[in-house]
Amino acid sequence: DTGVSQNPRHKITKRGQNVTFRCDPISEHNRLYWYRQTLGQGPEFLTYFQNEAQLEKSRLLSDRFSAERPKGSFSTLEIQRTEQGDSAMYLCASSPGRGDTEAFFGQGTRLTVV
Amino acid sequence: AQTVTQSQPEMSVQEAETVTLSCTYDTSENNYYLFWYKQPPSRQMILVIRQEAYKQQNATENRFSVNFQKAAKSFSLKISDSQLGDTAMYFCAFMKAGNTPLVFGKGTRLSVIA
Repeated sequence: DTGVSQNPRHKITKRGQNVTFRCDPISEHNRLYWYRQTLGQGPEFLTYFQNEAQLEKSRLLSDRFSAERPKGSFSTLEIQRTEQGDSAMYLCASSPGRGDTEAFFGQGTRLTVV
Repeated sequence: AQTVTQSQPEMSVQEAETVTLSCTYDTSENNYYLFWYKQPPSRQMILVIRQEAYKQQNATENRFSVNFQKAAKSFSLKISDSQLGDTAMYFCAFMKAGNTPLVFGKGTRLSVIA
């Protein structure tokens, strides 16, 4: 198992464009989490899934953000009409979802909105 | 809501010396977990150590140990025999039982100096 994989690693987009990020969790991990991390800050929770069910969305997740995990495996995070304030590192993490175990993180997707 | 506070934005330590990173948290939960994660420059976040709140014994992992004071809601990380590879951002994180999303502090940037 290669761990949590995120693509792309970097994305530069113009303000107003839509972007989509992908996260492939560790195989058989039922829980998948999305976080956002801005420079000099700790990660902030955005949303998470148990298999294909989205369990919770943070109030940070405006209506321009949508996340899916259609078959309970990989997940996508889409940002519509990007704004400069969306520039951040977007982190994905997964955990087995059985028992209270730590989450394993991917390397993140760094988004720059120009 | 849970909060995690790391009051030391930056710290430095000489190689082979010992350093302690501070973390306090606030919660009304009784069943929870605490973690220290390490985020090296441009690399993914990895788990350093975890502590179950129901365990009185402080967790240790090789050169890393914690001082968990449940009544004081304090969870500090001690790194012994510091190595250059310990240079990283360190995040303290709280998790309510049930594999819920992590709540992170703002991090402490640790520099190990040769």
